[in-house]
Amino acid sequence: DGGITQSPKYLFRKEGQNVTLSCEQNLNHDAMYWYRQDPGQGLRLIYYSQIVNDFQKGDIAEGYSVSREKKESFPLTVTSAQKNPTAFYLCASSLRTGAMNTEAFFGQGTRLTVV
Amino acid sequence: GIQVEQSPPDLILQEGANSTLRCNFSDSVNNLQWFHQNPWGQLINLFYIPSGTKQNGRLSATTVATERYSLLYISSSQTTDSGVYFCAVPLGRMDSSYKLIFGSGTRLLVRP
Repeated sequence: DGGITQSPKYLFRKEGQNVTLSCEQNLNHDAMYWYRQDPGQGLRLIYYSQIVNDFQKGDIAEGYSVSREKKESFPLTVTSAQKNPTAFYLCASSLRTGAMNTEAFFGQGTRLTVV
Repeated sequence: GIQVEQSPPDLILQEGANSTLRCNFSDSVNNLQWFHQNPWGQLINLFYIPSGTKQNGRLSATTVATERYSLLYISSSQTTDSGVYFCAVPLGRMDSSYKLIFGSGTRLLVRP
């Protein structure tokens, strides 16, 4: 089935550790996005990428890093510099900007908890 | 940047009731999406609706781009409709990098 796969579903991290969240899509989409959601809140954009080997910071990029070496993959690393990383992380993808249909689709999310 | 406002922030319905959720945006947009976030956190695509009206079962949506708003109608609500409803619009130009901006959501609870 075509779709977006995020892993793991739940992730626990000790303070001071870096962790990487996986996001893979087989929809042949060019654009990919990472969002953060805190309890009872909306979605805030962390990073986004329109093409391979290119990405831009969103509204809350501090303490996060990404890479886009392959079209299908857009991993997010939560570094020790992120002061409050406990949150729900959602990955999305869409056709490239300028396409007729830019509808975005989301993965099932990763719940990250710092212990 | 563009502002996206949703109303009401919270809504409680009795099963079988109808409701209308609203999304206002501060600038012209070339697409708009409605999502339903279920209790497990997954975002389900409801409508991709740059303009006009679309219907899918008990749900329908209307976007009036010239007046910068969109409405989501839920008829004969069911308990499974509970969750948070988000609208989202793109910020940026179609021929360059753009990002999807979300409203703060409407939290819906349908009671049996």
